[in-house]
Amino acid sequence: QVQLQESGPGLVKPSGTLSLTCAVSGGSISSNIWWSWVRQPLGKGLEWIGEISHSGNTNYNPSLKSRVTITVDRSKNQFSLKLRSVTAADTAVYYCARGFLPARALDYWGQGALVTVSS
Amino acid sequence: QSALTQPASVSGSPGQSITISCTGTSSDVGSYNLVSWYQQHPGKAPKLMIYEGSKRPSGVSNRFSGSKSGNTASLTISGLQAEDEADYYCCSYAGFSTWIFGGGTKLTVL
Repeated sequence: QVQLQESGPGLVKPSGTLSLTCAVSGGSISSNIWWSWVRQPLGKGLEWIGEISHSGNTNYNPSLKSRVTITVDRSKNQFSLKLRSVTAADTAVYYCARGFLPARALDYWGQGALVTVSS
Repeated sequence: QSALTQPASVSGSPGQSITISCTGTSSDVGSYNLVSWYQQHPGKAPKLMIYEGSKRPSGVSNRFSGSKSGNTASLTISGLQAEDEADYYCCSYAGFSTWIFGGGTKLTVL
């Protein structure tokens, strides 16, 4: 059974960088899979942030592309999200998820990590 | 990119059927058979219910079905049960290796 677990600081200062890691267990991050990040402001809908393939190819939401970097660490079986120049509008629950091919629908999700942007 | 359009809320009584629509454009829903649907209970992570428009993952009840016509995808839940009360989100491939979610629909079981 694949499990995903987000970790990282729950509080980030405005203009700082949000950093989260998603640890994958029960499966290899090097599988033919896309690994995604999705966020959800409290009380609002889901927003796709971006994804990374097992080989390191990345795709990003155009509205966030200039501030986002997603990387993969195969040695630790995990992938990471960095979002730069954050504002209060970036306060949200951040989910990592697995997208299986070819549909890239998200079949396994982490429990979510609340990140608050505040001074 | 604008979010796909879903009704803010739908409701139904136990045993009834309901349908949630997800309207996009010819650049996303209308061009690809890559619509997925997610169920989200309060405080929980989303759960995949339908992928590629109409396919159900293993373990998902056959009371859930998906379809598409033109630029609009739909999720139908038959034999409504109390446990179906949740938020539902559609998601579609939007071209250029990007994905877009709908605004979400709150389902109330009366």
